[in-house]
Amino acid sequence: NAGVTQTPKFQVLKTGQSMTLQCAQDMNHEYMSWYRQDPGMGLRLIHYSVGAGITDQGEVPNGYNVSRSTTEDFPLRLLSAAPSQTSVYFCASSYPGQPQHFGDGTRLSIL
Amino acid sequence: AQSVTQPDIHITVSEGASLELRCNYSYGATPYLFWYVQSPGQGLQLLLKYFSGDTLVQGIKGFEAEFKRSQSSFNLRKPSVHWSDAAEYFCAVALNTGTASKLTFGTGTRLQVTL
Repeated sequence: NAGVTQTPKFQVLKTGQSMTLQCAQDMNHEYMSWYRQDPGMGLRLIHYSVGAGITDQGEVPNGYNVSRSTTEDFPLRLLSAAPSQTSVYFCASSYPGQPQHFGDGTRLSIL
Repeated sequence: AQSVTQPDIHITVSEGASLELRCNYSYGATPYLFWYVQSPGQGLQLLLKYFSGDTLVQGIKGFEAEFKRSQSSFNLRKPSVHWSDAAEYFCAVALNTGTASKLTFGTGTRLQVTL
């Protein structure tokens, strides 16, 4: 089982560039989420989705966009990267009412 | 808003010693509670969860946690730590099982194990 797959694993961007972090799961999970992890702050929810076509904001949504066109994929878009978005990003998925499964993360540096 | 506090940023224990990691939450109702472990450079792995019922829950790798409503706590324990338990541990809460995709995390406790 591949589980939750995040690509790329590492990325360096310049301020103002855009990019998409990819997340795919092969467990047919309805729920998917994006978190960012910063030192001393734990993980904070960016956006989440309870099914294809349905997304909502989490605790720290500013500067990020998401869409959910299929059950399997939940990409996270940075439209104009800022140094404050340097972080480790985690995607997670689950069935309703069940604990989340996490990917291995994408380490993003913005110069 | 709900919040989670892990008061210990860093803990060091000797291999074979017992371990207790503290977690306190702030929320008006009983939330759903989780402990996750993160090894360096890895994602998060679920150790155990509490939704309802028996307040002492057993997890993987020999871990257990006890929910204490009166103290708003969900502390993680292990009777005998192994060197491979060195990692970062996160407590997390969700409002209810329907929103288990919306987790609020504590800031984590880094566990170091000395031989």
